[in-house]
Amino acid sequence: NSKVIQTPRYLVKGQGQKAKMRCIPEKGHPVVFWYQQNKNNEFKFLINFQNQEVLQQIDMTEKRFSAECPSNSPCSLEIQSSEAGDSALYLCASSLDSYAEQFFGPGTRLTVL
Amino acid sequence: AQSVTQPDARVTVSEGASLQLRCKYSYSGTPYLFWYVQYPRQGLQLLLKYYSGDPVVQGVNGFEAEFIKSNSSFHLRKASVHWSDSAVYFCAVSPDSNYQLIWGSGTKLIIKP
Repeated sequence: NSKVIQTPRYLVKGQGQKAKMRCIPEKGHPVVFWYQQNKNNEFKFLINFQNQEVLQQIDMTEKRFSAECPSNSPCSLEIQSSEAGDSALYLCASSLDSYAEQFFGPGTRLTVL
Repeated sequence: AQSVTQPDARVTVSEGASLQLRCKYSYSGTPYLFWYVQYPRQGLQLLLKYYSGDPVVQGVNGFEAEFIKSNSSFHLRKASVHWSDSAVYFCAVSPDSNYQLIWGSGTKLIIKP
């Protein structure tokens, strides 16, 4: 079973509010991924890190999205000004390297009212 | 562009019957292939993976999948399903030139008593 920890499990925000979620990868996993899963089960890759460095990222949705993985702290994903279309399940995954299997946390379900 | 197709949005199977969930991918090389399962209100759990070698791979809970390169397929099978197998199953591909997973649209498995 995966040991990726994501907090909070549920997040409710009003439009325009900041939304921040956190992820603690499995111990010893240097690579962290963030995905967005919408209600139609479509996955969107957002960003991944190896240690603290960004490996790949999408054009982060008009710069409203930001993410970091600081040393000795949880990784985080933040939406500066939430929009209704951001309502989704945000999944964090970690792996031993970029091509290995990814282990997922339970996700943070964001609802933007 | 790489893509993954799961042609069946929903599959209904009687408990104890055999199961096949279909997955086809579009990629010119040989990618890394994965099947994940998502139970209600939970994250994704890895069922099995294929990197190379024996094209039939065994996974958890009696699941297996066969990689058929000529058909670009990686179908998931189980000899006898249990009611607890009810979930959404996702096929995913990691092309060797990229880090992120490319996901299928998922197949919802419904087990009839």
